[in-house]
Amino acid sequence: EPEVTQTPSHQVTQMGQEVILRCVPISNHLYFYWYRQILGQKVEFLVSFYNNEISEKSEIFDDQFSVERPDGSNFTLKIRSTKLEDSAMYFCASSEFGTLQETQYFGPGTRLLVL
Amino acid sequence: GENVEQHPSTLSVQEGDSAVIKCTYSDSASNYFPWYKQELGKGPQLIIDIRSNVGEKKDQRIAVTLNKTAKHFSLHITETQPEDSAVYFCAAHARLTGANNLFFGTGTRLTVIP
Repeated sequence: EPEVTQTPSHQVTQMGQEVILRCVPISNHLYFYWYRQILGQKVEFLVSFYNNEISEKSEIFDDQFSVERPDGSNFTLKIRSTKLEDSAMYFCASSEFGTLQETQYFGPGTRLLVL
Repeated sequence: GENVEQHPSTLSVQEGDSAVIKCTYSDSASNYFPWYKQELGKGPQLIIDIRSNVGEKKDQRIAVTLNKTAKHFSLHITETQPEDSAVYFCAAHARLTGANNLFFGTGTRLTVIP
């Protein structure tokens, strides 16, 4: 069964450093998403992406965040200058068309720790 | 914006018993309510969903009910098995201006005791 994959599974970085989290969505899917979950808190929506541009973003997704689809398979989340509060599990998801009430398929997540 | 609350945060049941997880939501415009199961080391996996035009949906041992008036929905697992042990998340869909954003509850850690 096709699945969303994410790399790395864990990343430790120093505050102020840039990190890039990588995702490979399901191959025929057109909509991509990033969510994050701070330990003990809810899974929160960050951004959605369609046709090589951001479709929607939450207020969490400020100027330090960016997303990109650098090639036909990868979807990346970049955090320019990490802060301690960026420590969280980051989930990538994809859906086929991005229509209402459509299933989103999640990857296993990247656990980011900012020291 | 949408706010989803989920209870309980942890739940332990004996194998064979039923488990019920409850969620409430705040945005009356929400119309899609998926439930995800997350096993250790894996991402959330959809197990069942319900849309606002129905009050109940069942898939083998799993059922979900929706009360739009009260703005709450519940997951029911019957005849629980050890492999049901996982973290379960409810979510509600609240469309902003275009894409398909999900708002999640805080999760319920279910432990099924053999």
